[in-house]
Amino acid sequence: TQLLEQSPQFLSIQEGENLTVYCNSSSVFSSLQWYRQEPGEGPVLLVTVVTGGEVKKLKRLTFQFGDARKDSSLHITAAQPGDTGLYLCAGAVGNQFYFGTGTSLTVIP
Amino acid sequence: DVKVTQSSRYLVKRTGEKVFLECVQDMDHENMFWYRQDPGLGLRLIYFSYDVKMKEKGDIPEGYSVSREKKERFSLILESASTNQTSMYLCASKLGGANNEQFFGPGTRLTVL
Repeated sequence: TQLLEQSPQFLSIQEGENLTVYCNSSSVFSSLQWYRQEPGEGPVLLVTVVTGGEVKKLKRLTFQFGDARKDSSLHITAAQPGDTGLYLCAGAVGNQFYFGTGTSLTVIP
Repeated sequence: DVKVTQSSRYLVKRTGEKVFLECVQDMDHENMFWYRQDPGLGLRLIYFSYDVKMKEKGDIPEGYSVSREKKERFSLILESASTNQTSMYLCASKLGGANNEQFFGPGTRLTVL
């Protein structure tokens, strides 16, 4: 079993602050995905990173895949209340994804 | 608009009952998955299927079985429900290929009393 650890598990910040969520493993993945899940809904894909060292930006969100393809980070700039949710990383091995433990983010207006 | 639907949003069952959770996708995806989600544990894969009538065990298959008789439908079966199977169950589907997006249903919150 490939274990993906996310940190922090819980994060509560004020609107406008920056934050970083980490996703770490001792396993190597062919790609890594980040999902966001809102209460009562299933996770929705934010991004897929494939190449070691890759950095992707989606507006205020920046995703990085580690050089060794074992870890990833998600950085949010100037967080907004709409960013509130559960953030999940998922590493791919073959056709199967292994999900991280999740980071619950609350952005206070 | 792509869609994965699950038969129930909330379900309450008694210990020992047989429970069926149904999942249907309208995207003609080859791969379908069943996960359970528990606080602090993330999503854990129960079973997945890469084709009709094909199934593979995930990380926690004990106490569960699955059925995929048609491409669009993937069923999760709890043969004899137990209280430790109280959880949120999520179904997902994706195209074949390692990096394709998984599309999730809204989940079924199952409580076993």
